[in-house]
Parts: sequence; C-alpha cells; structure tokens
Amino acid sequence: QQPVQSPQAVILREGEDAVINCSSSKALYSVHWYRQKHGEAPVFLMILLKGGEQKGHDKISASFNEKKQQSSLYLTASQLSYSGTYFCGTEGDDYKLSFGAGTTVTVRA
Amino acid sequence: KAGVTQTPRYLIKTRGQQVTLSCSPISGHRSVSWYQQTPGQGLQFLFEYFSETQRNKGNFPGRFSGRQFSNSRSEMNVSTLELGDSALYLCASSPGQGHSGNTIYFGEGSWLTVV
Repeated sequence: QQPVQSPQAVILREGEDAVINCSSSKALYSVHWYRQKHGEAPVFLMILLKGGEQKGHDKISASFNEKKQQSSLYLTASQLSYSGTYFCGTEGDDYKLSFGAGTTVTVRA
Repeated sequence: KAGVTQTPRYLIKTRGQQVTLSCSPISGHRSVSWYQQTPGQGLQFLFEYFSETQRNKGNFPGRFSGRQFSNSRSEMNVSTLELGDSALYLCASSPGQGHSGNTIYFGEGSWLTVV
C-alpha cells in the first residue's frame, strides 16, 4: 500500500520553511526520504528507523511518529537547490519499500 | 565507486513486443529492486531480488518478470507490451535486503516508450 504524501506541491521563496508529510495505514519499520530533480535519479536524503535511529543529510531534518505511522520532512531556510520532487518510502512488515506519489517543491529567488 | 548502471537509457518499442532492461548494482550490493515511475503515480514497486532469489513482488501482472545473476546484476523483462507500460523504469541497489536499515541507491533509469 502506497503511503500518502501532502501537500502535492508547494512553492517557496528562498529562505522560507516547508513541511512535507507522509502517512501510512500499516505499521512501519522504516521511512526513507528521497529527492528527484527532473530527468535525474532519486537521491537519498534520510532514513528513519523504528526505535529512533536516523541516518542522512545534515541540512535536512525529519521526524517519525511510529504510533501514528507518520513522518514529516522539514525544509528549513530553503535554497534554490531544494527544488525537486520529494518522495517518502515506507517499509512495513512485508519488507516492501513503497513510495508515495511525491511532493513537488519549487523554490524561487 | 561506480553507481547503479542501467541500460539502455532510452528505447522505443511497439505494442506486443517484449523488452529486457538491465541493471548493474553498486559493487558489493546484493539487493536489487525495480520500480516503475509514471507521472502522478510516483514510484510503483515491481520486485526485489537478493542473492538471486526474488524476495518480494509488487502488484504487477505476470508480463513483468525479472531475475538476478550470481554477480548481482539484474534484468527485468516485460512481455506483450501495452501502451500503458510506457514509463521510467528505475533500478535500485542496496547492501542488504529489507528491514536492514540500509539506504537504497537508484540508477538513472530506462525510459521506455511503447507505440
């Protein structure tokens, strides 16, 4: 089952903040966040594991609420390079990594 | 170290034909997953292979198949192509399989157009 991401799209000015949410209907083992720029491969940003461990990008932060099966990605003081489509991937007991439909972020000067 | 390599990058096929896509994972990675990406649908999981065995499968018809070789390289095959199979097919590799907390790394994908 695909996780649900919100919002579908967001437009920011440089320096502004944004939050991207990801929710799942199943119990989760891990949440993965990726960013994809047009015509390129998705690039790893962060992984959050059940139990609190996190690995990833030092300029991007995220949270994982295991009880609510939700994760949020926080884009702080956004830069032009933050533009792209952000995907969350969720892994449950079925060992499958399922991705949401994506959130398109546009950062303008 | 070299990233995930996918070939071919672009291809055009006719309805009814079949296609084989290839993926070479990062050296040392034993898990390879395949995803289909279409506008608005995000990344749809096709299957995952680990040590030559299919460990997991998504909700795609039997026309979609794959395999993994002893050197961890993987191929996916789509038979009897339909117009709706037009998509970007992404391969991703990882050191371990699910529930291992490992990062997966994507290749640049193979763009398939079915006419």
